[in-house]
Amino acid sequence: AQSVTQPDIHITVSEGASLELRCNYSYGATPYLFWYVQSPGQGLQLLLKYFSGDTLVQGIKGFEAEFKRSQSSFNLRKPSVHWSDAAEYFCAVGNFGNEKLTFGTGTRLTIIP
Amino acid sequence: DAGVIQSPRHEVTEMGQEVTLRCKPISGHNSLFWYRQTMMRGLELLIYFNNNVPIDDSGMPEDRFSAKMPNASFSTLKIQPSEPRDSAVYFCASSTRDSGKYFGPGTRLLVL
Repeated sequence: AQSVTQPDIHITVSEGASLELRCNYSYGATPYLFWYVQSPGQGLQLLLKYFSGDTLVQGIKGFEAEFKRSQSSFNLRKPSVHWSDAAEYFCAVGNFGNEKLTFGTGTRLTIIP
Repeated sequence: DAGVIQSPRHEVTEMGQEVTLRCKPISGHNSLFWYRQTMMRGLELLIYFNNNVPIDDSGMPEDRFSAKMPNASFSTLKIQPSEPRDSAVYFCASSTRDSGKYFGPGTRLLVL
């Protein structure tokens, strides 16, 4: 069975500081990995996805994520956060065709001045 | 592109009433998904369609829930009769085989 763990429920970062959100997955085959962001009262927006190839994936809004098979991780990073990045972030793992995605429980990001 | 469109955005109803949620996927997307989000259970996949055909409805909580996709541009999720424990945000999402899922803004349902 596939599963996703986001060990940090809530993270607080100063504006302009760097950010790393952790994601660990369990999947029996080659995983398809995703990061989504959800602002309050909104739907989920796809930030980036990894299917194959280069293990460092660039996404929208200046985010990137690195796939590390040996660590079963797909951590999300941003070099300098902006107040508008405050939101909930979800990591997800799925199969090819990504019909059945399993989502993590989310990490809530707070930005302080 | 307008993205995934859901209606209504908010719904307040009384226990026992029928609730119908609507979704228009992104044009050209051949898969459609219904999710439910609650604080207690997070995001749950209820059902998904591929080329308008229901593929997996194992996430549908019980017989009170039903979903249809009569054509490539429209889907409904119906709850009859509704119960207070159905209160949640219901998301529709669509995708192609190689894209990530694109979510709609959700319908916030409150059953009193």
